[in-house]
Amino acid sequence: DAGVIQSPRHEVTEMGQEVTLRCKPISGHNSLFWYRQTMMRGLELLIYFNNNVPIDDSGMPEDRFSAKMPNASFSTLKIQPSEPRDSAVYFCASSHRGDRGPRRTEAFFGQGTRLTVV
Amino acid sequence: AQSVTQPDIHITVSEGASLELRCNYSYGATPYLFWYVQSPGQGLQLLLKYFSGDTLVQGIKGFEAEFKRSQSSFNLRKPSVHWSDAAEYFCAVGSTSGTYKYIFGTGTRLKVLA
Repeated sequence: DAGVIQSPRHEVTEMGQEVTLRCKPISGHNSLFWYRQTMMRGLELLIYFNNNVPIDDSGMPEDRFSAKMPNASFSTLKIQPSEPRDSAVYFCASSHRGDRGPRRTEAFFGQGTRLTVV
Repeated sequence: AQSVTQPDIHITVSEGASLELRCNYSYGATPYLFWYVQSPGQGLQLLLKYFSGDTLVQGIKGFEAEFKRSQSSFNLRKPSVHWSDAAEYFCAVGSTSGTYKYIFGTGTRLKVLA
C-alpha cells in the first residue's frame, strides 16, 4: 500500500481564497483524522471520521473550516475564506477501528500539506 | 479529559550518549500509548506502541519505552544516540472507549551534537 496520500504537498494562496486539501487513506482503514500543526499550538486534532461519518469535530476552529468524507477512500478539508492565521501544516491520518471498539492499532500519517496564506 | 504532557521542548545530547524523553499522560483507563518521530518536512512515523502486557516495549531504530502506571508515564529511551536521530518526537495517547481518537503531546525537539 502507498500509505496515506495527501495533496497538494504545498499550497500558497491569497487571503480570502478557498483552499481544499485532499486525503486518500490507507485501503481498509475506517477511521480518518485531520490534524493541524503549528509552532505555537503543536499538533491539534481538527476532526475525525469513522466509517465516513464525522464523529468529533470539536477541534475545527471555526465555521470557515469544513471537512467531508464522501466515501471510504477520500476526504477533503476546506477552508473558505482562508486567512493568514490558517497557515500551518495539515496532516491526514488513518487507522482501523474494530466494530466492537478501537482495535489496537496506530494512526498512519500522510506527508502533510504545507499551507501558506498571504 | 485525556491529555499528554511532554515537559521538555528541546533536548540536546552528544552522539553516542544515552537519551530519555519524558511523557506523562492523563487518562481514566488504561490507555494505548505511542511514540512517533517526525523528521523535517516529513509526516509522523511510528516508533513504538503499548497496548498491554510487558511494560517495556521495543521499537524501531533501537528505541524502547517503559509504561509506568503509577507515574502515568511512558518515557522513550535509547542507549546510544546517532546523529540521524535528530528530529521531533511526539508522545500520543489513544482512547480505548468513547470517541476513539489520538491525542498528541507538544513534542520534544532533539538535537544531536557530533
